Amino acid sequence: QKEVEQNSGPLSVPEGAIASLNCTYSDRVSQSFFWYRQYSGKSPELIMSIYSNGDKEDGRFTAQLNKASQYVSLLIRDSQPSDSATYLCAVNMDGGSQGNLIFGKGTKLSVKP
Amino acid sequence: DTAVSQTPKYLVTQMGNDKSIKCEQNLGHDTMYWYKQDSKKFLKIMFSYNNKELIINETVPNRFSPKSPDKAHLNLHINSLELGDSAVYFCASSQDGRLAASYFGPGTRLLVL
Repeated sequence: QKEVEQNSGPLSVPEGAIASLNCTYSDRVSQSFFWYRQYSGKSPELIMSIYSNGDKEDGRFTAQLNKASQYVSLLIRDSQPSDSATYLCAVNMDGGSQGNLIFGKGTKLSVKP
Repeated sequence: DTAVSQTPKYLVTQMGNDKSIKCEQNLGHDTMYWYKQDSKKFLKIMFSYNNKELIINETVPNRFSPKSPDKAHLNLHINSLELGDSAVYFCASSQDGRLAASYFGPGTRLLVL
């Protein structure tokens, strides 16, 4: 069974710290990886995508991908209380349409002022 | 101006009833999706339509029937509602079917009594 695993948390970090969110996936042929942020009671927002091994930076967010270890992570630098949300890792596992994503159950992040 | 809109926002109904949820996007995207998020916040794709054509149809009871009258609209009809159908249903869209869902609607909170 194709799975995406995340630590459900909550992950608590102080304001200004680096938050590190981790995700592992089961299918070696996966090619596309995404991070979504979901505030409580709201809809998911796509914040990062990554396709190649290594790091991809966008503002305070860095996505890291290691296909050999089947591991993808999201780093949030200078964490702010407004970053408090659930972060969903999503993986395209069939190599076809990226729309066919398998989601992890999410990691709840709490940034304390 | 709302990018992806859904109606109704809340839906409370009795077991056995039939209900519909409507979705519209004004982004000019070719692909639209229906996702279900259960009480444990687990997000799972149900259907995807690309330019009115069904491209993803996950294992979903045939009581659920999507309909796309044009590429800006994707409706979801549910027959003979069951208690287990209670969830939040999100509509989403992307530029085309090769891309991950980039915009989500606000969600429809369905409660079956």
